[in-house]
Amino acid sequence: GAVVSQHPSRVICKSGTSVKIECRSLDFQATTMFWYRQFPKQSLMLMATSNEGSKATYEQGVEKDKFLINHASLTLSTLTVTSAHPEDSSFYICSARDTSGASSYNEQFFGPGTRLTVL
Amino acid sequence: GDSVTQMEGPVTLSEEAFLTINCTYTATGYPSLFWYVQYPGEGLQLLLKATKADDKGSNKGFEATYRKETTSFHLEKGSVQVSDSAVYFCALSGRNSWGKFQFGAGTQVVVTP
Repeated sequence: GAVVSQHPSRVICKSGTSVKIECRSLDFQATTMFWYRQFPKQSLMLMATSNEGSKATYEQGVEKDKFLINHASLTLSTLTVTSAHPEDSSFYICSARDTSGASSYNEQFFGPGTRLTVL
Repeated sequence: GDSVTQMEGPVTLSEEAFLTINCTYTATGYPSLFWYVQYPGEGLQLLLKATKADDKGSNKGFEATYRKETTSFHLEKGSVQVSDSAVYFCALSGRNSWGKFQFGAGTQVVVTP
C-alpha cells in the first residue's frame, strides 16, 4: 500500500534556530501534500496545502513566513519552522494524496509524524 | 462549512466489551467519510472508509455505515481487545474540498484486561 515517511521522527532544537521536516511519498506520486499540527490530546489542525511546483496554500492564522513549505518534486515536501520558539513545539504530521488514480480521489495517506521540541 | 462532531472521551472499556463511538457530520453534497486510528506517539492509520450513502466500511472487526439520513458514521466493534486502545478520529473530505480533511476532536479509547 501507499507509504508516507517523515524525517526526522524527533528533533530537539534551541530557540531561534530553524528546523526542516521532510515528508516523502515512497511508492506513489503526490502532487498534493498536507501539513498538520497536533497539540497534545487534541485533533489535527490543517496548516497548509503543499502543491508540487507552486506555492503552498496556508490556512487562516498560519504564518507563511514562519512555516515555509517547499514541494519541489512529486514525492517530497518539506516544512521548515523558522526561528523556532518553545510555542512551536508540537507534533507535525504530513499526508499525501495518491493522484495516480490507484486510490480513491479523496484518500490521504499519513506520515508517522515528527515530534518537535524547542528549548 | 464542513464539520465533524464525535463523542468525547476517554471511553474506558473492559476487554471483549462492545464499543461504539458516535460521529456526525455537516457537509454540502456527499462527502467521503473516514475513521483513522492513532496509537501513542504515532501518525494516523486509516481504519475504514465509506464514499457514498449506505456504504459500510469494515476492517479489523470495526464497522461503520454511512447514514445520509442521520448524517452519521458511527464506529462499532463487537469485542474490543487491549490492543485497540488508541485515539480514534472521524473525518470527512468534501467533494469540492481539493482533498482537505475535516477531523473530529478524537476519542480516546482505553481497554482494560
